[in-house]
Amino acid sequence: DTEVTQTPKHLVMGMTNKKSLKCEQHMGHRAMYWYKQKAKKPPELMFVYSYEKLSINESVPSRFSPECPNSSLLNLHLHALQPEDSALYLCASSPQGAQAPYEQYFGPGTRLTVT
Amino acid sequence: AQKVTQAQTEISVVEKEDVTLDCVYETRDTTYYLFWYKQPPSGELVFLIRRNSFDEQNEISGRYSWNFQKSTSSFNFTITASQVVDSAVYFCALQNQGGKLIFGQGTELSVKP
Repeated sequence: DTEVTQTPKHLVMGMTNKKSLKCEQHMGHRAMYWYKQKAKKPPELMFVYSYEKLSINESVPSRFSPECPNSSLLNLHLHALQPEDSALYLCASSPQGAQAPYEQYFGPGTRLTVT
Repeated sequence: AQKVTQAQTEISVVEKEDVTLDCVYETRDTTYYLFWYKQPPSGELVFLIRRNSFDEQNEISGRYSWNFQKSTSSFNFTITASQVVDSAVYFCALQNQGGKLIFGQGTELSVKP
């Protein structure tokens, strides 16, 4: 299995809702990442988990809450989002810890719309 | 400061033309890693190549080739005989010693039949 999967593919939520994005990989990778991507822009790093521990938080607002229950799974919990949070949310993984020079493998993304 | 510049925002070519996507980077690290990713309209970023700062050999993979020149801090990507399926946004990226990927702004390539 050489892919990163993300669910759901599309999500529409109101500003008072609570929802979660899920990311899964079965490649034995030890680093997992969340990115946010707005249209016509490059991905922006949000969080990095290395060996299941949060190693980087790019000053992301607390309405985004990451969770890494095990080495294969990464969640992003969403609460009280704003319309400007609408974007494509990408998950990625890489074989070694976050500082190792390996390529990242990306999932297809979840397209989130906040109404 | 570390930075990646892709000066070409959009490029449009006709099928079978060759096209070169430019990438210029800035870093003070002596060891660093450069990447190219492709993002088709479906949204998923696809890894194309990784190059470390000690390896200046050019690389060819099918119709794709990469020219890494440390003297000019450039890592350019050429597609030979372009095809419609090459239409995508292409990102050049630099990995710093903290492990963070620093992306360029991307070049949107449109290949018309």
